[in-house]
Amino acid sequence: DAGVIQSPRHEVTEMGQEVTLRCKPISGHNSLFWYRQTMMRGLELLIYFNNNVPIDDSGMPEDRFSAKMPNASFSTLKIQPSEPRDSAVYFCASRDSDMTGELFFGEGSRLTVL
Amino acid sequence: GNSVTQMEGPVTLSEEAFLTINCTYTATGYPSLFWYVQYPGEGLQLLLKATKADDKGSNKGFEATYRKETTSFHLEKGSVQVSDSAVYFCALDRTDSWGKFQFGAGTQVVVTP
Repeated sequence: DAGVIQSPRHEVTEMGQEVTLRCKPISGHNSLFWYRQTMMRGLELLIYFNNNVPIDDSGMPEDRFSAKMPNASFSTLKIQPSEPRDSAVYFCASRDSDMTGELFFGEGSRLTVL
Repeated sequence: GNSVTQMEGPVTLSEEAFLTINCTYTATGYPSLFWYVQYPGEGLQLLLKATKADDKGSNKGFEATYRKETTSFHLEKGSVQVSDSAVYFCALDRTDSWGKFQFGAGTQVVVTP
């Protein structure tokens, strides 16, 4: 299996621009998670989906952030407009509905907002 | 509530030294417990897990035992290598909010030759 695939791996943009991060979960996994990692706040759960439906978005920092999962094999995290404080590594993770299953992480998208 | 507390880093030690990273948790019910490792520039990957009390997870020379009585899941390795330098995260699978993992803050380990 190819694992969780994220793109882009690195993104540098200017403040005010729209940023779209993409994720392809592992085939057969029906839960998908978006995390943000920074030195100051560590690993934060932003939102997660089960069977393509958003279950909990309480971690989304503000309305500038939105996430979608139009089908079982694709999800996006969008930031519009972006701000320098959004600079972080964004991870996507997926898991099987088996409740003892581990989370599988992608390699992350490192976002720098200038 | 649910929380995971792990020792602060960085932990610096010499090659072949013994490593212990303490992890304690509070949780509703009986969660599964995990240790994840993050190498520089990479995502988190599962190191080991335990799903019930007294289970011992092990992998790559690392071990951790699920201790319900002390609500702990300490990570140990008898002889570390330079390649073990990474950030280690303790985590639990929340039973009160299905699917949500609670991660500790992470402990950076630096192994010197």
